[in-house]
Amino acid sequence: AQSVTQLGSHVSVSEGALVLLRCNYSSSVPPYLFWYVQYPNQGLQLLLKYTSAATLVKGINGFEAEFKKSETSFHLTKPSAHMSDAAEYFCAVSDDRGSTLGRLYFGRGTQLTVWP
Amino acid sequence: DTEVTQTPKHLVMGMTNKKSLKCEQHMGHRAMYWYKQKAKKPPELMFVYSYEKLSINESVPSRFSPECPNSSLLNLHLHALQPEDSALYLCASSQEVGVRTDTQYFGPGTRLTVL
Repeated sequence: AQSVTQLGSHVSVSEGALVLLRCNYSSSVPPYLFWYVQYPNQGLQLLLKYTSAATLVKGINGFEAEFKKSETSFHLTKPSAHMSDAAEYFCAVSDDRGSTLGRLYFGRGTQLTVWP
Repeated sequence: DTEVTQTPKHLVMGMTNKKSLKCEQHMGHRAMYWYKQKAKKPPELMFVYSYEKLSINESVPSRFSPECPNSSLLNLHLHALQPEDSALYLCASSQEVGVRTDTQYFGPGTRLTVL
């Protein structure tokens, strides 16, 4: 079974500071990984996804993530935080089993707070 | 257009009411999903439809009844709900079921309150 673990349920940064949101995965096969963002009272929006084409994945709103097989990680970063980045961030992995192939398994989420 | 729409945005219902949630997408996607999300938690998968047929039911109580009238529409019929069913209900769609690299596109959700 595949799973992801998000370290830190809350992350606070100052505006302009580096954003680092951590995600580690567990998978017996090459994983396909996703980062979604959820703004208050809204649905989830895809930030970026890793599908084995390149280990450094660039997404929307200046976010990027690097797939590191040796560390089983897919951490999300942004060089300079903006107030509008305050939201809940979910890491997810896509299932590899026949009957539930493609099903997403979400981490518990990380709430990002950005201070002025 | 990568939009999934959901109506209503908010719904308050009593435990004896019958109501329905509606979801629509016009991206030509053949997979549609219902998720339930409690506050400060990740979405939990409820149902998956593939080519208008139910393919996954995550042991959801029968008071939730999904329906897929056509490839663009997905409904969730609600009856005799409990207060613990209060949550944000999210609809999503993707190109196909069973493709690991597919992106799921989410709607804005319906905030349901059961009194």
